[in-house]
Amino acid sequence: NAGVTQTPKFQVLKTGQSMTLQCAQDMNHEYMSWYRQDPGMGLRLIHYSVGAGITDQGEVPNGYNVSRSTTEDFPLRLLSAAPSQTSVYFCASRLPRYTGELFFGEGSRLTVL
Amino acid sequence: AQKVTQAQTEISVVEKEDVTLDCVYETRDTTYYLFWYKQPPSGELVFLIRRNSFDEQNEISGRYSWNFQKSTSSFNFTITASQVVDSAVYFCALSEAEDKIIFGKGTRLHILP
Repeated sequence: NAGVTQTPKFQVLKTGQSMTLQCAQDMNHEYMSWYRQDPGMGLRLIHYSVGAGITDQGEVPNGYNVSRSTTEDFPLRLLSAAPSQTSVYFCASRLPRYTGELFFGEGSRLTVL
Repeated sequence: AQKVTQAQTEISVVEKEDVTLDCVYETRDTTYYLFWYKQPPSGELVFLIRRNSFDEQNEISGRYSWNFQKSTSSFNFTITASQVVDSAVYFCALSEAEDKIIFGKGTRLHILP
């Protein structure tokens, strides 16, 4: 049982480059989300989705795009990377209706030069 | 809007001491869920506990205990007889009917041998 799988685990980008962080879960969870973790800032919600075809903004959505075409996948796109997006990114999924705990991926460390 | 405040940025205690991590939350919903997560130095996020707004009973799990008080909007976490392995960052989180989970900034706990 793989749970939540994020790729890549490490990435270095130059300012202005684009990239996609991949997230897949095999638990049939309807809810998926992306967080970024920065020192002293905790985990901040970027975008989330309550099911295929539905996405919504979190606390810090600017500079990021998401889509949810399947239940399993929830990619996070950086269209034009900026140094301020240097962070550790976590994908997480949960059962619906806000009752269940989040299952997290291992994280992706992104550095933007 | 939902909000979680962990006022203690960093705590250091000597091994075997008891330590309490504070969590204060804000919500307009009457139905909500509270969570605690642990992030050890290895970086993964580990689920510790979930509590719904209708269950104010304190919970104990081994050396861990949680005190939920709706009157003060607090959900504090106590580690009894702390051990070096308890050294980690601890996050408190809140989930409302919108499904998204919002985290506090975390408390970094150092257990000194």
